[in-house]
Amino acid sequence: EDQVTQSPEALRLQEGESSSLNCSYTVSGLRGLFWYRQDPGKGPEFLFTLYSAGEEKEKERLKATLTKKESFLHITAPKPEDSATYLCAVQAREIGGANSKLTFGKGITLSVRP
Amino acid sequence: DTGVSQNPRHKITKRGQNVTFRCDPISEHNRLYWYRQTLGQGPEFLTYFQNEAQLEKSRLLSDRFSAERPKGSFSTLEIQRTEQGDSAMYLCASKTPGHQETQYFGPGTRLLVL
Repeated sequence: EDQVTQSPEALRLQEGESSSLNCSYTVSGLRGLFWYRQDPGKGPEFLFTLYSAGEEKEKERLKATLTKKESFLHITAPKPEDSATYLCAVQAREIGGANSKLTFGKGITLSVRP
Repeated sequence: DTGVSQNPRHKITKRGQNVTFRCDPISEHNRLYWYRQTLGQGPEFLTYFQNEAQLEKSRLLSDRFSAERPKGSFSTLEIQRTEQGDSAMYLCASKTPGHQETQYFGPGTRLLVL
């Protein structure tokens, strides 16, 4: 069974204090790893898709990296508006139309103080 | 492209009542997914459609739950004889055909069963 573990559960940062969020996963053949941002009471907002170990993607203050066992979301010089829950999900390779689903971790709640 | 839309955004019902939610995916997205999210947890997969065909259902989807996508466009999720444990955020996502694997989520429908 596919599993995703995110750590820490919650993270409080001072504005400008860089840090990393961890996502460890086990999956029967990785098709893709996904990062989403979720604000309270809203649906997840897509950030990144990573397909293979060694791949990196960047967007503004965020950078996502992928190894064979884990992914990191690096936040450089965060601002208060970066406060949200960050979700990591994996998709296994499809077999006959099955395994198309995403398996999510519990998320990491990030709070950035001004 | 107006994004995935869901209606209603909020629903309060009494235990034992039936409820129905609607999801309109991004136009031309042939795959549509339903997930459920409870407080402090990541979204959990319920079911998905490719066009009008329901290809996979989770064990979480009890007999009281039914989903349809009759014309391969919008989808409905019905819960019969609601229970307090059904209280959650119900999320819909859609994906474009092809190798791009990213699922785009709607704002969700928050259900409270009293």
